Amino acid sequence: ETGVTQSPTHLIKTRGQQVTLRCSSQSGHNTVSWYQQALGQGPQFIFQYYREEENGRGNFPPRFSGLQFPNYSSELNVNALELDDSALYLCASSLYLAGGRTDTQYFGPGTRLTVL
Amino acid sequence: TQLLEQSPQFLSIQEGENLTVYCNSSSVFSSLQWYRQEPGEGPVLLVTVVTGGEVKKLKRLTFQFGDARKDSSLHITAAQPGDTGLYLCAGAVVGGGADGLTFGKGTHLIIQP
Repeated sequence: ETGVTQSPTHLIKTRGQQVTLRCSSQSGHNTVSWYQQALGQGPQFIFQYYREEENGRGNFPPRFSGLQFPNYSSELNVNALELDDSALYLCASSLYLAGGRTDTQYFGPGTRLTVL
Repeated sequence: TQLLEQSPQFLSIQEGENLTVYCNSSSVFSSLQWYRQEPGEGPVLLVTVVTGGEVKKLKRLTFQFGDARKDSSLHITAAQPGDTGLYLCAGAVVGGGADGLTFGKGTHLIIQP
């Protein structure tokens, strides 16, 4: 079991609403990455945060945004929810390496978001 | 286009049989991880391979990284029902910077008792 925790575990929202998901990283890690995993698919990279700034981003629209706090915990915010945003949202923590890369990523249990 | 292709997508075998799962790409990876995921939970790291040609063993699981660091395989010997789950390979592309891990779609493995 990793030290990465996420809250809430499950969430139901309606189309057009906004949602905030939270992640606490493993002790000693300074980088947080967020992934979206649709049913039956592998996780897709949303973005990564290091030193409280976005350090890399996947192919997701601007309505997906995030924050990282001084204690390395992080939030994922999604505005104007769409039905296709229904997925398992995973947070992974790691240690930053040179050149923008990170060491092995350890995943939390995820937040299951359902958009109706 | 899927950067990492996993095969097979689904595999159902009897307890005691051997199996191999493949992860292939045209891209070079600086490292590659294998994860196992249970329904509704996050992926759990099994192994990280970083050197071309590297072989790592974890009890009945053997992981190999291709010489060119473009592919990897996971071999399970004498599979048991407890091995059932979704197996994911994920890699960090060379020169990808902070682009996160690239995942395959996964292999759904069912071991029948």
